[in-house]
Amino acid sequence: SQQGEEDPQALSIQEGENATMNCSYKTSINNLQWYRQNSGRGLVHLILIRSNEREKHSGRLRVTLDTSKKSSSLLITASRAADTASYFCATGGGGSNYKLTFGKGTLLTVNP
Amino acid sequence: DTAVSQTPKYLVTQMGNDKSIKCEQNLGHDTMYWYKQDSKKFLKIMFSYNNKELIINETVPNRFSPKSPDKAHLNLHINSLELGDSAVYFCASSPSRGQGTEAFFGQGTRLTVV
Repeated sequence: SQQGEEDPQALSIQEGENATMNCSYKTSINNLQWYRQNSGRGLVHLILIRSNEREKHSGRLRVTLDTSKKSSSLLITASRAADTASYFCATGGGGSNYKLTFGKGTLLTVNP
Repeated sequence: DTAVSQTPKYLVTQMGNDKSIKCEQNLGHDTMYWYKQDSKKFLKIMFSYNNKELIINETVPNRFSPKSPDKAHLNLHINSLELGDSAVYFCASSPSRGQGTEAFFGQGTRLTVV
């Protein structure tokens, strides 16, 4: 079964507004990553936060991680129409059999 | 220059056929993956190779056989295709295992079995 569960499944906002997506996971992790997938395209890595970090910023992106609650959030500030995409969280367990386990994603629509 | 490239981008085939998808990465990464994305956009790992060695095989039917001739290439061969194999297949690579790093994805191969 998948590790991450994103919430909400779909989000529609106006340009300029902030978008917040949440991710919950079940087992202990080494890191958590967020990816973006534009329609019909591959996934693009946005940001990685390690289990010993609580918050990370990258441009208009802000990611938080709460390992006690097994949850993470992705905030996109001042959204643009070009931010319209599906956003996935992925957890990595580390170790010799490293793999990313993805959630089902949040479809974000930014209306101009 | 495309970092992770897959061919073909689209593949339509009949049930029972055998087909292959090719993947190449020019990033110098050690680890490569195949993921399957279903119609509900759920991504599930299928295989992972590190330096041509299979390290992850996630309960995939043995009709699916990955092959890594060198660490820059990871191909996926599928025998006796079934309707349920219809999905988008993504190849990805990452620089190392262990502590975990980002994965770089190809554009995907949309497989339709009719």
